[in-house]
Amino acid sequence: GAVVSQHPSWVICKSGTSVKIECRSLDFQATTMFWYRQFPKQSLMLMATSNEGSKATYEQGVEKDKFLINHASLTLSTLTVTSAHPEDSSFYICSARTRRHQETQYFGPGTRLLVL
Amino acid sequence: AQKVTQAQTEISVVEKEDVTLDCVYETRDTTYYLFWYKQPPSGELVFLIRRNSFDEQNEISGRYSWNFQKSTSSFNFTITASQVVDSAVYFCALSYSNRKLIWGLGTSLAVNP
Repeated sequence: GAVVSQHPSWVICKSGTSVKIECRSLDFQATTMFWYRQFPKQSLMLMATSNEGSKATYEQGVEKDKFLINHASLTLSTLTVTSAHPEDSSFYICSARTRRHQETQYFGPGTRLLVL
Repeated sequence: AQKVTQAQTEISVVEKEDVTLDCVYETRDTTYYLFWYKQPPSGELVFLIRRNSFDEQNEISGRYSWNFQKSTSSFNFTITASQVVDSAVYFCALSYSNRKLIWGLGTSLAVNP
């Protein structure tokens, strides 16, 4: 149980374009979803916390207008990287937690973004 | 301050060796949770274990075992008879009252045949 999917798994785009990444909880309702960013050989960096039906809470230093997060339903959250630049290239990972086990986060497989 | 320290950046062992990954944490909360996650080369994070602060019992799951000691603020992870498939980055993490995860920097484990 507690399976989280992400789409796409890989994306290559040109500088200046916007990219949308979807995160879905497949077999449970996720009251909260998290978006992380991971650089090579580094730990995960929390970008934002997303609660269904409300605005996302961004971590300090994360640009809200750059990384748009929408959590429209209990099974779907999206991260849109607007006007992407090469420095936005990274591994983006979402996670979700259930209402019942709010201490545990279940992670999606991640999305590798390369901006040319 | 909340903090997780994984002092071992990289570990290399030969298959069938036992290996212990260290995790030391800091928190002022009396209620907290500790986690281990595995990140293989594919990148997907795999949940291994969750332990709450009131449960100091050690846990064994197959070749994996965990030693939680509040006296030393440690939550170490041992793999017995390591296998090549165990090669991955292992992250220790702490969750407290705000339920965000505080991550260690990870330990990269290479198991060589």
